[in-house]
Amino acid sequence: GIQVEQSPPDLILQEGANSTLRCNFSDSVNNLQWFHQNPWGQLINLFYIPSGTKQNGRLSATTVATERYSLLYISSSQTTDSGVYFCAVPFNDYKLSFGAGTTVTVRA
Amino acid sequence: NAGVTQTPKFQVLKTGQSMTLQCAQDMNHEYMSWYRQDPGMGLRLIHYSVGAGITDQGEVPNGYNVSRSTTEDFPLRLLSAAPSQTSVYFCASTRGRLNSYEQYFGPGTRLTVT
Repeated sequence: GIQVEQSPPDLILQEGANSTLRCNFSDSVNNLQWFHQNPWGQLINLFYIPSGTKQNGRLSATTVATERYSLLYISSSQTTDSGVYFCAVPFNDYKLSFGAGTTVTVRA
Repeated sequence: NAGVTQTPKFQVLKTGQSMTLQCAQDMNHEYMSWYRQDPGMGLRLIHYSVGAGITDQGEVPNGYNVSRSTTEDFPLRLLSAAPSQTSVYFCASTRGRLNSYEQYFGPGTRLTVT
């Protein structure tokens, strides 16, 4: 099955800093999603981004499907950005394959 | 839209008890799934459904039953709870095949089996 690798595994940021999270995948995909799992455990949809670039407030994402990677940018980080960020791609028609996640800690 | 809802949020069971985790979505999505999330194991698919009346097994179906009598609801039944079923359970829904559509997750149910 398709492999999804995320880096870095952990990230500690000072409030206000910018950061980039990376997601590599082993095969071509028609769908890629970024999620934020907050400290309460909820999985929040951030982006549905099979290709191209999208922005939502301080977050943006870019997927280069031909090179099999996606980037998530966090700008001007806030403590509420803390949590685990997952990228996921379809394993098949009905199951997403998740990366191991990047744990982000934003310190005030 | 409420999106995907799950009840209860937390549950403690004793070994051997049975219970049903409820999941509902109001987006008229055809596909619904149940995952469990365990430390170091990521999210694993338990059961899924591609429409009312159609269900199938995922990676870890043993000990769980599902049914899909309506488009909106997809309950997960634990027949005889075991400590190995201690986990966080997520229900998810999608309009159609994942190659074409975004998947949405419910808030999760944290289950402890003692």
